[in-house]
Amino acid sequence: DAGITQSPRHKVTETGTPVTLRCHQTENHRYMYWYRQDPGHGLRLIHYSYGVKDTDKGEVSDGYSVSRSKTEDFLLTLESATSSQTSVYFCATRSSHEGENSPLHFGNGTRLTVT
Amino acid sequence: GEDVEQSLFLSVREGDSSVINCTYTDSSSTYLYWYKQEPGAGLQLLTYIFSNMDMKQDQRLTVLLNKKDKHLSLRIADTQTGDSAIYFCAESKEGSARQLTFGSGTQLTVLP
Repeated sequence: DAGITQSPRHKVTETGTPVTLRCHQTENHRYMYWYRQDPGHGLRLIHYSYGVKDTDKGEVSDGYSVSRSKTEDFLLTLESATSSQTSVYFCATRSSHEGENSPLHFGNGTRLTVT
Repeated sequence: GEDVEQSLFLSVREGDSSVINCTYTDSSSTYLYWYKQEPGAGLQLLTYIFSNMDMKQDQRLTVLLNKKDKHLSLRIADTQTGDSAIYFCAESKEGSARQLTFGSGTQLTVLP
């Protein structure tokens, strides 16, 4: 959808290791978002970006950092992975050219397991 | 998504109507959305409603909005097995990036 590729699709890592998830889009959308999905919580916003080098925190940003050096790439880094960060991570993008109600487009997710 | 609440499960028989309910808390929300998630996939936008509307119909889908009670519902007519999925309601927040707040999702199971 909207040319969004998340990598890797699956990852298992050990507690305390750093992990970087990548979101790549080909639609030149201005806005990009990282959400995590957990049972009973739906999707919760981690960080978002409203342009190159412009990012801000969402509701569950502790333990995560992001970078956006190019329009097409939005990286999510877990500085020191913990078991509570085991989750499915979704990247989403949104165009700034489709008006006030332009929809979010989602990638297919990255399943991360922290052992 | 504590600001947006949904029941977790709903089962219906094929051919019946499904009604998925959602309550939200932010009275300043401008748009409310319904997304569908199939297994192993991301979310796809089904429909949305602007906050000054009461109802929106799109083929088999009907969205009802009660702004006074902050209650949103999605009705799927003639539910099919292909409608089995998780359905999320979401509200848009004011802000430059218009990020969405999602409910916890309702797992719809359609029985033959």
